[in-house]
This record gives sequence, structure tokens and C-alpha cells, in this order.
Amino acid sequence: LAKTTQPISMDSYEGQEVNITCSHNNIATNDYITWYQQFPSQGPRFIIQGYKTKVTNEVASLFIPADRKSSTLSLPRVSLSDTAVYYCLVGVIGGYNKLIFGAGTRLAVHP
Amino acid sequence: EAGVTQFPSHSVIEKGQTVTLRCDPISGHDNLYWYRRVMGKEIKFLLHFVKESKQDESGMPNNRFLAERTGGTYSTLKVQPAELEDSGVYFCASSQLGQGRTGELFFGEGSRLTVL
Repeated sequence: LAKTTQPISMDSYEGQEVNITCSHNNIATNDYITWYQQFPSQGPRFIIQGYKTKVTNEVASLFIPADRKSSTLSLPRVSLSDTAVYYCLVGVIGGYNKLIFGAGTRLAVHP
Repeated sequence: EAGVTQFPSHSVIEKGQTVTLRCDPISGHDNLYWYRRVMGKEIKFLLHFVKESKQDESGMPNNRFLAERTGGTYSTLKVQPAELEDSGVYFCASSQLGQGRTGELFFGEGSRLTVL
């Protein structure tokens, strides 16, 4: 599975847009890019997934350039409750999903 | 619909004792995974069940760990005998099987194990 690199931590303020970029230079043709969110004392929670270009759902947007060697998770107008660790994962989806977690990005949203 | 449930939420035992963690996946999910995070480290894969069969147990640290999934429903993870380095949070996750799925894993809240 492709290794990913993300910033260890980020700080933001309520109401701002937050963009977290993940590098995955060795991404394979069949790999998808998936982001998970984890709050303290909880398990990771799926946020968004994409293969190329842009994906948007009610929570976030995911931007993937043509070469797919990186991706950016965009959180619009963050609130205090968005303070969490965000993980970028890359791998083949389908029947079996052996996720390989990295260190993630610890996002702190301040009042 | 109920999510993935894990029991106990927290267990404190002494070194050498035995602990059994239980996971109830979302109904209908054939894939069941165990992960764990030990202090200060990343979340690590332990093993993967497809129904009652072990599909991949490459992450199991040693033979003190035994996972079962009777009848393809709930799963248990037994640690016997427990060592200090086994302390951490054990997560269970489940997902549906088959093509066309998003690949989303649904995680439980974890079972925190403290070995003294």
C-alpha cells in the first residue's frame, strides 16, 4: 500500500476554511484516496473518498490533481467540533480494505 | 441501525492475566477487522475476518493473541497472558463485502486495555 505523508499538526480558527494536503507519490493505478477523522476516545470515522478530480459531500471536499500524487482535504468553515485527527489513506477498495494508518494530522480549531 | 459495538470499553488487568475483548459488527457486514493503537504509536492492523474465516492475520503480534469469529457474527480477541506492552486501544471495524462498495470501514469506539 502506498505510503502517505501529511503535516503532523495544523491550527485554525472557527469559520475558516482548512486545507490538509497529503502526499502519496507511489500511488498505484488501482488505488483510491480515503480520509478518516478521529475524535479523542472514538474510532476513526470515514469522511470522504475519491479517485481523481474533485469529490464533495456534506462534510468536506477532496481535490485530487491529475497526477494523483497528492490530495487535499478541504473543510469549509470549521467549528470547534472539527478538532480531531485526520488520516489520509491510499489503497485498493472493494471487498477487502486493509487500511494502513499513518500518524495523521492533528487539527486544532480555536475560538 | 446499531453501529459497531465493543466491550469492554476499558479493562485494567495485571501482567500475566487474561483478557477477552468482544466486537459486534454491523449486521450484515461480512468483513471484520481488528486494529490497535499502543501508546504514542500509529493505529496498526491486526487481522481481518471474512465471515468466520481469517483472511489476513499478518498483523497479530505473537501467539499470545487469539482472535475468533464464531459463526461469522461477533468476534473476540483474547490476550493470554497479557504483557505490559499490550496496553493500548483495540479497535474493531466492519464493512460490507463485494464490488462497488465505497470501501468504508465502520469503527467501534475501541476497548482500552491497561496492563499493570
